[in-house]
Amino acid sequence: GESVGLHLPTLSVQEGDNSIINCAYSNSASDYFIWYKQESGKGPQFIIDIRSNMDKRQGQRVTVLLNKTVKHLSLQIAATQPGDSAVYFCAESRYSSASKIIFGSGTRLSIRP
Amino acid sequence: EAGVTQSPTHLIKTRGQQATLRCSPISGHTSVYWYQQALGLGLQFLLWYDEGEERNRGNFPPRFSGRQFPNYSSELNVNALELEDSALYLCASSSGQGAMNEQFFGPGTRLTVL
Repeated sequence: GESVGLHLPTLSVQEGDNSIINCAYSNSASDYFIWYKQESGKGPQFIIDIRSNMDKRQGQRVTVLLNKTVKHLSLQIAATQPGDSAVYFCAESRYSSASKIIFGSGTRLSIRP
Repeated sequence: EAGVTQSPTHLIKTRGQQATLRCSPISGHTSVYWYQQALGLGLQFLLWYDEGEERNRGNFPPRFSGRQFPNYSSELNVNALELEDSALYLCASSSGQGAMNEQFFGPGTRLTVL
């Protein structure tokens, strides 16, 4: 069946270092991928998205990489800050109407001072 | 601009009871999505409403139902509550159909079934 999962449930990173959060997906028909950040006590917040016709997309301090060959998605956070502490979810979908988003189980990112 | 709002913040019920959760989308948004987030798990898609109609449904039993009102607010009903229904229920809204329209999430309703 369809599934989106994460390689690591928790990730501890030194403040100032770069963070890399990985995600695997199994539905080869998915062509749209999203990363969400969920801070404690809040709902998920959109970070960045990427369509399958791209393999890299950059935002402010974040970069998403897509490897369709191995169905792998990653989120890179540059110069990790304490405010980056949260659970990060990847999600997949079809870039079309009437389509639902399938979320992964999440990775908790903690920052060491 | 007000974000997505949900009520109540917390809800405690006992097994067999019914729960009603409410969501108000961002002004101008016509799509409302409901998700269940059990402790330690990811978001599981429940329901999607747009323009008052149910557009898609996740793999949940029929006792999970909902509706969208003419003002685009939405209600999620869970009948015959079971212990495993305890979770954070998140509502999101978007300005159009489909995943390409960014979904904005509310803070959630924490449902506890005793």
